[in-house]
Amino acid sequence: QSVLTQPPSVSGAPGQRVTISCTGSSSNIGAGYDVHWYQQLPGTAPKLLIYGNSNRPSGVPDRFSGSKSGTSASLAITGLQAEDEADYYCQSYDSSLSAFYVFGTGTKVTVL
Amino acid sequence: EVQLVESGGGLVQPGGSLRLSCAASGFTFSSYSMNWVRQAPGKGLEWVSYISSSSSTIYYADSVKGRFTISRDNAKNSLYLQMNSLRDEDTAVYYCARDPNDYPYYFDYWGQGTLVTVSS
Repeated sequence: QSVLTQPPSVSGAPGQRVTISCTGSSSNIGAGYDVHWYQQLPGTAPKLLIYGNSNRPSGVPDRFSGSKSGTSASLAITGLQAEDEADYYCQSYDSSLSAFYVFGTGTKVTVL
Repeated sequence: EVQLVESGGGLVQPGGSLRLSCAASGFTFSSYSMNWVRQAPGKGLEWVSYISSSSSTIYYADSVKGRFTISRDNAKNSLYLQMNSLRDEDTAVYYCARDPNDYPYYFDYWGQGTLVTVSS
């Protein structure tokens, strides 16, 4: 079971803004460990979307942004587009586990 | 262009063994830590194992410790995962993934994955 909790699904109309939460605890996000986000389009491998809480790799549109506060992190998608329909996962480190990379439960984004 | 190409997946009976490979190109393989991450059908992502650039540091998830062995051959730009005593719950797509840091942090490139099915 994952120690990072995400909503199973979020949806929005094209052009709207949606946010995905990633809730952790004092042994991971709350301890100051960075959060990273991945996008997984249907039938494909995950792709890095945000690293170090709020940094976008080259080529990732600035419609995607990340933030972190306390024991939670968030991914925001502004100007939602049809091609954003995918699964999104947060990832961090947890000091209470022997798993050096822990993933969130995943969120399915549906574009209405 | 960074490319990671996994191979070696297939159908294996419970208790059997399988060796996965990941061929890397487009970057200096010997300078990067590498990982295996898996995804069971319809499920989320699970980190499996980490190996540092020089193979000096290796980590495993508790779920595979003692059964799986990660290794690399920097001369061949290749990453491996030897999987023994396979169980039904090991059924998943296995991805190799690069970590751009000297310590476990995040994955900046992923392969396309190879499917391992454990079933009798």
